[in-house]
Amino acid sequence: GNSVTQMEGPVTLSEEAFLTINCTYTATGYPSLFWYVQYPGEGLQLLLKATKADDKGSNKGFEATYRKETTSFHLEKGSVQVSDSAVYFCALSETGGYNKLIFGAGTRLAVHP
Amino acid sequence: GAVVSQHPSRVICKSGTSVKIECRSLDFQATTMFWYRQFPKQSLMLMATSNEGSKATYEQGVEKDKFLINHASLTLSTLTVTSAHPEDSSFYICSVGSQDNEQFFGPGTRLTVL
Repeated sequence: GNSVTQMEGPVTLSEEAFLTINCTYTATGYPSLFWYVQYPGEGLQLLLKATKADDKGSNKGFEATYRKETTSFHLEKGSVQVSDSAVYFCALSETGGYNKLIFGAGTRLAVHP
Repeated sequence: GAVVSQHPSRVICKSGTSVKIECRSLDFQATTMFWYRQFPKQSLMLMATSNEGSKATYEQGVEKDKFLINHASLTLSTLTVTSAHPEDSSFYICSVGSQDNEQFFGPGTRLTVL
C-alpha cells in the first residue's frame, strides 16, 4: 500500500541554519505530495504541495521538489527562524479528487536563537 | 482556503458517557470530510471519510459503532464518541477535502476521559 517515510526528529538548529527534512514515499500511479506544518497549539496548515513529477512547491522560504526517480519530496529552507519551530508532516494523496491523505510520522523542528 | 472550526476545543468527561464533536466548514462546501486522531507527539491517524448525505467509510480497526459520524449537510459533520473510556482520550481533528486533494484542517478537539 501507499506510505510515507520521513526522517525522525527532533531536529534542533540554530537560527539562520540550513534545513533539510527528508521525505520518501511509496505509491502506485502519480500521487500528489504535500508538506503540512503544525505550530504549537494550532491545527495543521498546508505549507506547500506538488502535483506532478519535477514540480517545485514553495512557500515562506520553504521549498520541495517532487522527484519521481527517487520517490522523494524533501523539504528545505535556506535560513530558518525561531518562528519556524513546529512539527512538519509529509503527506501524499492518490490521483483523483477528494482523496484521503497518508501522513508521515512528522518531524519536530526546534530553532534556537 | 477553507476555514474550518471545531467545537468544543477541549472536553473532559467521565468514563461511560458520550461526547459529540462538531466540525464546521465556514466558507467552503464540504462534500467530503475526514476525521483523524492524533496521539501526543505522533502523526495523524485517519479514522474515517465521510461524504455529505451518505454513510462514513471507516478505516480498518476503527469501530464504527463507537465513533459515530454524521455528515448531514455541506457545512457540518459530527463525531460522537459513544461510551467513552480513558483509552479514547486523544486529540481529534477534522478536515475538509477538495478536488485537488488539499485538505483544510480544523484546530482540533482535545478529549480527556476520566
